[in-house]
Amino acid sequence: EAGVTQFPSHSVIEKGQTVTLRCDPISGHDNLYWYRRVMGKEIKFLLHFVKESKQDESGMPNNRFLAERTGGTYSTLKVQPAELEDSGVYFCASSQAFVNEQFFGPGTRLTVL
Amino acid sequence: AQSVAQPEDQVNVAEGNPLTVKCTYSVSGNPYLFWYVQYPNRGLQFLLKYITGDNLVKGSYGFEAEFNKSQTSFHLKKPSALVSDSALYFCAVRDSGAGSYQLTFGKGTKLSVIP
Repeated sequence: EAGVTQFPSHSVIEKGQTVTLRCDPISGHDNLYWYRRVMGKEIKFLLHFVKESKQDESGMPNNRFLAERTGGTYSTLKVQPAELEDSGVYFCASSQAFVNEQFFGPGTRLTVL
Repeated sequence: AQSVAQPEDQVNVAEGNPLTVKCTYSVSGNPYLFWYVQYPNRGLQFLLKYITGDNLVKGSYGFEAEFNKSQTSFHLKKPSALVSDSALYFCAVRDSGAGSYQLTFGKGTKLSVIP
């Protein structure tokens, strides 16, 4: 069974540019999550999808971040325009049901110069 | 609000010795607790979880963890450490009574197993 995949693995962009991160969850997992780890800090929750609906977006830092999950399959996280403080590793995770563990992807390392 | 504390940034242990990575938590309701491991240049890998039932839970690669409600702890243990166990370990908690599924993570503990 394929795990959670994320693309790209690394992205280096200039401040003010736009970047789109993609996450493909494990097949059949209705729940999809985005997390972020800024250098030296904890891994922080960003948002949670159930199928195509945003269940909880309380962790989204500001309106420069836009997450979508059209059709309830893969998800994208767009940062527009990117700022220096957006640099970090963005993790995607998926799970089947309420109490089940979340399975994480390898992450996308974003560097904003 | 929920929180996790991993008091040690780094733990060093000799190969073959028992290891413990500490975790304490705070939630309003009953906790769901998780341990994840991150190997270099890899994503987070699930090790084990406590949802309900026996306080001692067993997970992958010989790891186990003990849930202690009175001490609000969920320490990760292994009887005999391997060099290959060297990695970054994260403890995470979720409030079972909260409407959100979000995990709250500790800062992580770097485990180094010395040959």
